[in-house]
Amino acid sequence: ELKVEQNPLFLSMQEGKNYTIYCNYSTTSDRLYWYRQDPGKSLESLFVLLSNGAVKQEGRLMASLDTKARLSTLHITAAVHDLSATYFCARGGTYKYIFGTGTRLKVLA
Amino acid sequence: GAVVSQHPSRVICKSGTSVKIECRSLDFQATTMFWYRQFPKQSLMLMATSNEGSKATYEQGVEKDKFLINHASLTLSTLTVTSAHPEDSSFYICSAINPGLAGKETQYFGPGTRLLVL
Repeated sequence: ELKVEQNPLFLSMQEGKNYTIYCNYSTTSDRLYWYRQDPGKSLESLFVLLSNGAVKQEGRLMASLDTKARLSTLHITAAVHDLSATYFCARGGTYKYIFGTGTRLKVLA
Repeated sequence: GAVVSQHPSRVICKSGTSVKIECRSLDFQATTMFWYRQFPKQSLMLMATSNEGSKATYEQGVEKDKFLINHASLTLSTLTVTSAHPEDSSFYICSAINPGLAGKETQYFGPGTRLLVL
């Protein structure tokens, strides 16, 4: 069964702190996507990871992919309030995405 | 670019009526589009894959007679919720693949349609 699990599901953190969100998927894929969703809005693409060992960074966010471990991480550095949102990973492959459970992040000022 | 639009953005209807939601790829031709449903505080669940010129492929548990999908052109897919009931109230999001871009399996998401059935 195709499953994509994220942890934690909820994350409340202070501004300036670092944290990592984990995305585990049950079957092999070399495509992993990260999205941000603000309340009432659709998805905003953050990262597309297309190969084992891929690492991408944008501002305070950095994503990586380990296809052998079936694991992707989204690392937040020195969090700011504007990063408060829900973050989803999605496993790609054969055109079909399977979305993770989502991580609701709240950054406290 | 790869812009996807949806119309309407928000719709309220009475129970028992049908509602049509449009998904358009604005600057590319999309042979494949997808329809997702998202309930509050939950993840996105794939409902169906819409293929231009052929029947849609529905995910397990999605009633094809209730959620009618038509992909009559390379830039338009429609989702019709027939005989809507309050439990169909949800956020419906479409996506499209732009085969002309690198990373050709990447999906581009529309802004979503919020459906409220009274």
